[in-house]
Amino acid sequence: DTGVSQDPRHKITKRGQNVTFRCDPISEHNRLYWYRQTLGQGPEFLTYFQNEAQLEKSRLLSDRFSAERPKGSFSTLEIQRTEQGDSAMYLCASSSGTAGNEKLFFGSGTQLSVL
Amino acid sequence: DQQVKQNSPSLSVQEGRISILNCDYTNSMFDYFLWYKKYPAEGPTFLISISSIKDKNEDGRFTVFLNKSAKHLSLHIVPSQPGDSAVYFCAASALTGTASKLTFGTGTRLQVTL
Repeated sequence: DTGVSQDPRHKITKRGQNVTFRCDPISEHNRLYWYRQTLGQGPEFLTYFQNEAQLEKSRLLSDRFSAERPKGSFSTLEIQRTEQGDSAMYLCASSSGTAGNEKLFFGSGTQLSVL
Repeated sequence: DQQVKQNSPSLSVQEGRISILNCDYTNSMFDYFLWYKKYPAEGPTFLISISSIKDKNEDGRFTVFLNKSAKHLSLHIVPSQPGDSAVYFCAASALTGTASKLTFGTGTRLQVTL
């Protein structure tokens, strides 16, 4: 399977704990995105990488959130001191091609539940 | 401020008939539009896209129409099949820097009945 892979699929944690998610994009894709989706809403943009450089962060991404993409390959998203409001589906997507008319390919997401 | 709106949360259509899903947007900077399909517990899957220089794009059973003056687009599925039952998201993009930051609507749940 050469699609976008996310791990874990599900994560249950207690409030105040730190969690880390991993995303492996399609290998030839140089752009990688993180989105968050809550119940009844569409996915919301969090941040994106062009190769290893993080080029934009949404105001939704508080200082408790940090994302990395070392060597421009896989990416991690860490949430420190989780809060119940962080409960959501975290989606990773990758793409290539011309910016502005590219297609994003999404992984299956990590469903986070903060108790 | 919902810049992309899908006002119908659900739609039920008989198998073989046409499904029409609608989407409205408010940001005139959007110039590229996409439809994604999502099954439960899976990520969104790309379906079809259209650039603002076109008013129609067709791919098999799926056609997307864009009316820029009305800031409205629609997805037509003909004929509808039971496997089309899913949540459909409309998304819009305005080039920012070097990436396509997508703004999604809230989705329309399509149910195709036998």
